[in-house]
Amino acid sequence: GIQVEQSPPDLILQEGANSTLRCNFSDSVNNLQWFHQNPWGQLINLFYIPSGTKQNGRLSATTVATERYSLLYISSSQTTDSGVYFCAVVSTSSASKIIFGSGTRLSIRP
Amino acid sequence: DGGITQSPKYLFRKEGQNVTLSCEQNLNHDAMYWYRQDPGQGLRLIYYSQIVNDFQKGDIAEGYSVSREKKESFPLTVTSAQKNPTAFYLCASSIRLAGGEVFFGPGTRLTVL
Repeated sequence: GIQVEQSPPDLILQEGANSTLRCNFSDSVNNLQWFHQNPWGQLINLFYIPSGTKQNGRLSATTVATERYSLLYISSSQTTDSGVYFCAVVSTSSASKIIFGSGTRLSIRP
Repeated sequence: DGGITQSPKYLFRKEGQNVTLSCEQNLNHDAMYWYRQDPGQGLRLIYYSQIVNDFQKGDIAEGYSVSREKKESFPLTVTSAQKNPTAFYLCASSIRLAGGEVFFGPGTRLTVL
């Protein structure tokens, strides 16, 4: 089945810094989402982005489907950005399952 | 307000007891999913349902059971056969199976005493 790898696994930054989180996948996809899991466990939808670029405030994402990766950019980090960021994909060859990466744990220090 | 609700938020169970976790959605989505998350880990698929009265096993279905009698509801029963049931359980839905944006409920933390 499709493999989804996220990097880095952990990231510690000072407030105000910028960061780039990466999601690599081993097969072509027709669905890709980025989620933020807050300290209470809630998974918050950030982007639905099977291809192209989207921006929402300080966050933006780019998926290059032909090269099998997606990037999540966080600018001017705030302490409330802390948590775990997950990438989830649906492979075109196994279109019934949503596969999650293992996540990037982001800690923003004040 | 459309969304997914899960209850209870916290659940404590004695070993050997079955327990049912509730998941309701008012998004008019056909597909629903149950995931399990262990501390510091990613999400693993337990069961999914494409449509009412249909459901399929995911990657870790042993010790769990589900039903889908109504479009809005997809309850998960954790049976006594599940060896390590203590975990965080997340319910999700999408407009169709693995299609469109997936939305998650707030989760249920199950602890077996």
